[in-house]
Amino acid sequence: KQEVTQIPAALSVPEGENLVLNCSFTDSAIYNLQWFRQDPGKGLTSLLLIQSSQREQTSGRLNASLDKSSGRSTLYIAASQPGDSATYLCAVRQGSSASKIIFGSGTRLSIRP
Amino acid sequence: DAGVIQSPRHEVTEMGQEVTLRCKPISGHNSLFWYRQTMMRGLELLIYFNNNVPIDDSGMPEDRFSAKMPNASFSTLKIQPSEPRDSAVYFCASSFAGVSGNTIYFGEGSWLTVV
Repeated sequence: KQEVTQIPAALSVPEGENLVLNCSFTDSAIYNLQWFRQDPGKGLTSLLLIQSSQREQTSGRLNASLDKSSGRSTLYIAASQPGDSATYLCAVRQGSSASKIIFGSGTRLSIRP
Repeated sequence: DAGVIQSPRHEVTEMGQEVTLRCKPISGHNSLFWYRQTMMRGLELLIYFNNNVPIDDSGMPEDRFSAKMPNASFSTLKIQPSEPRDSAVYFCASSFAGVSGNTIYFGEGSWLTVV
């Protein structure tokens, strides 16, 4: 059974710092991995999607990496801003494009001005 | 596209009442997911459909919960009878299976409070 873990559960850093959020999964037979952002009282917004054959994806100040063999992914945020404060969740899709998607419990990020 | 549309956005109901949550996936998407989110348990997959067929309902907590997808543009999640422990945010999400990428898109959620 796939389990997705995100550590730490919460993180607070001063504005301007670069930071890394971690995600680990127990079953390496994934189809893809996706990072989401969730603001309080809102739904989830997709940030980056990495296919199992890929090593990383970049969008603006965000860079996500994937090491499938070790069951790990990281989300790197450069030059953090107060507007980056949110909960970040990673999710893995098993086996095929039609499989279910399992979420981690998220990391609640706070950027201090 | 308007995205995944859920209704109602908020509902407060008394214990024992029937609750029906509705979802309209993004047009053209053929996978639909129902999730429940609580502070204690995070985001849990309840059930998902491919091409309107339920594939995995192992996350449905008990027989009080049921989900249907009568066509490609509509799904319902029903709780009968509702209990206070069902209070949570229920998210519907959709994606297109069969091409590379297949990003999953979420609705804004239905906030359910059972008193």
